[in-house]
Amino acid sequence: QKEVEQDPGPLSVPEGAIVSLNCTYSNSAFQYFMWYRQYSRKGPELLMYTYSSGNKEDGRFTAQVDKSSKYISLFIRDSQPSDSATYLCAMSTDPNRDDKIIFGKGTRLHILP
Amino acid sequence: DAGITQSPRHKVTETGTPVTLRCHQTENHRYMYWYRQDPGHGLRLIHYSYGVKDTDKGEVSDGYSVSRSKTEDFLLTLESATSSQTSVYFCAISAGGYGYTFGSGTRLTVV
Repeated sequence: QKEVEQDPGPLSVPEGAIVSLNCTYSNSAFQYFMWYRQYSRKGPELLMYTYSSGNKEDGRFTAQVDKSSKYISLFIRDSQPSDSATYLCAMSTDPNRDDKIIFGKGTRLHILP
Repeated sequence: DAGITQSPRHKVTETGTPVTLRCHQTENHRYMYWYRQDPGHGLRLIHYSYGVKDTDKGEVSDGYSVSRSKTEDFLLTLESATSSQTSVYFCAISAGGYGYTFGSGTRLTVV
């Protein structure tokens, strides 16, 4: 079983829809959870960062962590064509000791105008 | 990308030749990483550094070496390039928490 599983997509949704992106993981020691966004031919950029379980909201984006189910989600409200990108989940046990971040393979998202 | 630059951005090289990619940061971050990204494989860690002259191997280090003689520079060398090393290479930096900052990538083609 891979440490982090993420559906590669592509996921195509109409503009304005709510998007749900998900990852599952196997290592219960993961405490820090991240979402990166990667536009075509660009490097990944950090989008959301959360610690432990719960929700975190930033504008149209909400990150949700369910440690009991080992499941994390990223919701995008009022999706825009500019949200079209690959979204990578990522997680680590203790970034202050720089335990290396483990990345999912990414989900390609297309927002249709 | 603010604070981190990779060079070159694109390179085509022949099989068997040595290639060096450069990552330069202006953030004075302690940690630096080299990844390759390939379809179906995602990001895979090649080598990383936790300080000057302190480096270690990642999951796909065979055929690659690194050097870090200054805090700001992390070099990745392909000793003898092979077609399987055709990929997009990303450098990342970290201060030890709260995620990585990635460079814009180097697209390497080995022919």
